[in-house]
Amino acid sequence: DIQMTQSPSSLSASVGDRVTITCRASQGISNYVAWYQQKPGRIPNLLIYAASTLQSGAPSRFSGSGSGTDFTLTISSLQPEDVATYYCQKYNSAPWTFGQGTKVEIK
Amino acid sequence: QVQLVESGGGVVQPGKSLRLSCAASGFTFSDYAMHWVRQAPGKGLEWVAIILYDGSKKYYVDSVRGRFTISRDNFRNTLYLQMYSLRAEDTAVYYCTRGVGSTHHVFDIWGQGTMVTVSS
Repeated sequence: DIQMTQSPSSLSASVGDRVTITCRASQGISNYVAWYQQKPGRIPNLLIYAASTLQSGAPSRFSGSGSGTDFTLTISSLQPEDVATYYCQKYNSAPWTFGQGTKVEIK
Repeated sequence: QVQLVESGGGVVQPGKSLRLSCAASGFTFSDYAMHWVRQAPGKGLEWVAIILYDGSKKYYVDSVRGRFTISRDNFRNTLYLQMYSLRAEDTAVYYCTRGVGSTHHVFDIWGQGTMVTVSS
């Protein structure tokens, strides 16, 4: 099975900082990557799909890029409400594997 | 509004069984693939199983294959997860999610989850 490896596992940044999270697939998966945000105590929420398409209602400060094996999620200007754990996910075929998550905190 | 509501969680002894349900509303349930995703306490998300819109195909993560069965009732707009031979490592919040996309699904709607605790 294809593995999804996120880095870093956690980060702390200041409000207004640009934040980048990386996700690497163990094999090429075209652009079949989604990103989810899970705020503390809340259910996951779809942010981005097809590697770079912003889900309706998601703030425009979130963006995604990548294809093949390497993908990134970028928050252009970190806001206090972005404190959450972010997960990448492959969805080219079963199993729909998630990365281990990246916890984002405010410095 | 579009909603998924899970039920059926609880505390169960190792080796026992439990059936989870997920009631869907606000959309045409029979048009969508449905998935179960779980999250152990303090841990990340783990995809568990999928069933296609018509129930024709099902897939499972290796760790539950042969022990869990996903099913659906499109007349009752309900998704199920029958869990047998439960283990301590099955302890988690179980979410049902809607899979959107023709064959490549992302999860656009999530239920609030139901907690399953496997403990003696």
